[in-house]
Amino acid sequence: EVRLVESGGGLVQPGGSLRLSCTASEFTFGSYAMTWVRQAPGKGLEWVSAVTNSGDTTLYADSVKGRFTISRDNSKSTLYLQMNNLRAEDTALYYCAKGSSASSYSSADWWGQGTLVTVSS
Amino acid sequence: DIVMTQSPDSLAVSLGERATINCKSNRSVLYSSNNKNYLAWYQHKPGQPPKLVIHWASTRESGVPDRFSGSGSGTDFTLTISSLQAEDVALYYCQQYFSIPFTFGPGTKVDIK
Repeated sequence: EVRLVESGGGLVQPGGSLRLSCTASEFTFGSYAMTWVRQAPGKGLEWVSAVTNSGDTTLYADSVKGRFTISRDNSKSTLYLQMNNLRAEDTALYYCAKGSSASSYSSADWWGQGTLVTVSS
Repeated sequence: DIVMTQSPDSLAVSLGERATINCKSNRSVLYSSNNKNYLAWYQHKPGQPPKLVIHWASTRESGVPDRFSGSGSGTDFTLTISSLQAEDVALYYCQQYFSIPFTFGPGTKVDIK
């Protein structure tokens, strides 16, 4: 069964940085797009970013563009989200999700348990 | 951005009865080149990650019970649970993956009456 394990969350001050990781197993990681979705406390789901299977195309929500960078290392089956200049409104549970195809324009068919990011002074 | 709306906000249905959730987008998510609607439905239970139920508006994900079905095209979509079971209690979100950002609806809470 597909396994996605996120890590790297934690408490950070406004303006700080964090790098989230998502380690994948039990599927051919390099064949699928990957996505980050977040859920702020008491709120719904918000799509954050996606990357194609090869990593050559990255997509971002306007709310994180210029501050967050998605990347992947297919040799390590790992997805990353570098988050800089964090704001209080970035506080959320961040989910890593596997795309259903190589294209970023696909649904997310497997999700990790999430890693919590809290931005507060 | 494509705005997704869902109705109702919540519904309570008796066990074995039908539950129907509506999702509407303010722009079509039908791609004419492949005649596919870029619309997914997710089930989200507390303390668990979301689970894909339906993609391409009407394709049931592998392993999802056949009491779940999706329909609609263009801007109007429906998720139907034909015979509600206790394990179906959850929040249900629609999401379009036609245009960046891939927006979600606000969610519909399904409960047992």
